[in-house]
Amino acid sequence: QSALTQPASVSGSPGQSITISCTGTSSDVGGYNYVSWYQQHPGKAPKLMIYDVSNRPSGVSNRFSGSKSGNTASLTISGLQAEDEADYYCSSYTTSSTLGVFGGGTKLTVL
Amino acid sequence: EVQLVQSGAEVKKPGESLKISCKGSGYSFISYWIGWVRQMPGKGLEWMGIIYPGDSDTRYSPSFQGQVTISADKSISTAYLQWSSLKASDTAMYYCARHDGIRSPDYWGQGTLVTVSS
Repeated sequence: QSALTQPASVSGSPGQSITISCTGTSSDVGGYNYVSWYQQHPGKAPKLMIYDVSNRPSGVSNRFSGSKSGNTASLTISGLQAEDEADYYCSSYTTSSTLGVFGGGTKLTVL
Repeated sequence: EVQLVQSGAEVKKPGESLKISCKGSGYSFISYWIGWVRQMPGKGLEWMGIIYPGDSDTRYSPSFQGQVTISADKSISTAYLQWSSLKASDTAMYYCARHDGIRSPDYWGQGTLVTVSS
């Protein structure tokens, strides 16, 4: 199945807020509230930051928030910090596969 | 504490076989799917396949069907990913991840780097 669509890169200055979008279809993002977001630093495993569209796992900063409108989910990071610089991936349940589907990834640069 | 611990990095030659592992602990291993995800150098995450250790139900991504074999030994809470004949294009980081079958993975292994070079 096709990957979810994310911007290749976004950037922001420390203290600012940024939003990363993740666009799918009614068979995945738009049809179910099972969207997750992952943060991946170089050489590290992905870390779950948001699940079920807008829920944060224990230990994840409340500067990270998620939302969804139609077929597009969004991850917002407020009060940007240097350590937020990483790759971010969205993922969704899909009717096409038990495996789910990932987005192509977005590189966040903190200026 | 939920943990997925993967086997160490491997360096292989084209044509060789390989089996890497992922050992789960801190939860009921037979009650969750374990998936395998490939990340080629500088690229994104790709689903390879997934297995339910409780009954060994296994699903593959079309791109990987016939290219790899996923298995599990529930007696030792370990899942496996194996190749019968590696290619240079199999060079990548491979992650295992716990999956409830609906939501996306919550816990990930640390990754196993596989390098295939003559």
